[in-house]
Amino acid sequence: QKEVEQNSGPLSVPEGAIASLNCTYSDRGSQSFFWYRQYSGKSPELIMFIYSNGDKEDGRFTAQLNKASQYVSLLIRDSQPSDSATYLCAVGMYNNNDMRFGAGTRLTVKP
Amino acid sequence: GAVVSQHPSRVICKSGTSVKIECRSLDFQATTMFWYRQFPKQSLMLMATSNEGSKATYEQGVEKDKFLINHASLTLSTLTVTSAHPEDSSFYICSAAGRNHVPSEQYFGPGTRLTVT
Repeated sequence: QKEVEQNSGPLSVPEGAIASLNCTYSDRGSQSFFWYRQYSGKSPELIMFIYSNGDKEDGRFTAQLNKASQYVSLLIRDSQPSDSATYLCAVGMYNNNDMRFGAGTRLTVKP
Repeated sequence: GAVVSQHPSRVICKSGTSVKIECRSLDFQATTMFWYRQFPKQSLMLMATSNEGSKATYEQGVEKDKFLINHASLTLSTLTVTSAHPEDSSFYICSAAGRNHVPSEQYFGPGTRLTVT
């Protein structure tokens, strides 16, 4: 079983729609959860991080965490073509940097 | 966020040669640096973690004699791929973190595309 699993996609949504990206993880002791965006040929850039159960909103992005279900998601509202990228879920601990990445979900936002 | 640079951004080398990749933190002291490898359409795989002045800690399955990591200063870490082979062709990405940082403050470099012919 992979430590961090994501649907590889591609996920295609029309411009202005909500894109929903999902991630599950195997280590029940995980404490920190991250969403990175990676454009083709570029390194990842951090979009959101979340530590506590529930929702965390930042602009058009909302991260949702359910530790009981070992599930974290990212919602992108009012999707734009510039949001087209691969979104990586990463899971780690508070006190170290041992992040484990999922394989990423490729999102395409069609104008 | 902080700035991390990598050099070179792209490199093509012949099989059997060695290649050195530099990772620099430009505006903060990076006590810890991480080296990742990413194959096409795959996840980032952590190769090793290095702390300034200490030997790197390699992940299981990563050959320490093949991937030499040096973190001699608080602003520079290097990854040397020795006796490179075509299967080493990949996207290598470093990230850097300062002392007492939280995981959200790990800053990625732009990556180095290595092609071994």
